[in-house]
Amino acid sequence: QKEVEQNSGPLSVPEGAIASLNCTYSDRGSQSFFWYRQYSGKSPELIMSIYSNGDKEDGRFTAQLNKASQYVSLLIRDSQPSDSATYLCAVNIGGTSYGKLTFGQGTILTVHP
Amino acid sequence: DADVTQTPRNRITKTGKRIMLECSQTKGHDRMYWYRQDPGLGLRLIYYSFDVKDINKGEISDGYSVSRQAQAKFSLSLESAIPNQTALYFCATSDLRGSDTQYFGPGTRLTVL
Repeated sequence: QKEVEQNSGPLSVPEGAIASLNCTYSDRGSQSFFWYRQYSGKSPELIMSIYSNGDKEDGRFTAQLNKASQYVSLLIRDSQPSDSATYLCAVNIGGTSYGKLTFGQGTILTVHP
Repeated sequence: DADVTQTPRNRITKTGKRIMLECSQTKGHDRMYWYRQDPGLGLRLIYYSFDVKDINKGEISDGYSVSRQAQAKFSLSLESAIPNQTALYFCATSDLRGSDTQYFGPGTRLTVL
């Protein structure tokens, strides 16, 4: 079992719809969770971080964390073609202050007009 | 100016050549990382450093070496490049007093012929 797993997609949604991206992780001791967006050939950029169970909203983005189920998700509301990218889930496998992140393989999202 | 810079941005070299990729940061972060990215495999950690005197191997360190010349500079070397080291390489930084959030440089696209 991979330590951080994502569905590689591609996930295709129409413009204006909600895109739902999912990530599961193996280590119950993990405490920090991140979503990065990566355009083709570019570097990952941070979209959201979440540390506590529940939802965290930032504009059109909502991160959801369920530590009991070892599951973190990202919802993108009112999806735009500019949201088309690869979304990387990252987790601090090994717990707090460990200083390393483990990345999933990424989910390719395509938003079509 | 960018907070995390990488040089060169693109490099084509031949099998057996020694290559050095450089990373500099102005964020004042203690921790620095080198990753490689291959299609479908996500980001994989090569080496990481938590301060100038602390260097650690990541999951795929074979064939690579690093040098932390100063808090702001972290170099990655391929002593004898081989074609399967063709990849996109990213440097990242994080703050020891922060939240494990990592910030990425623009990347170096390396091709080994």
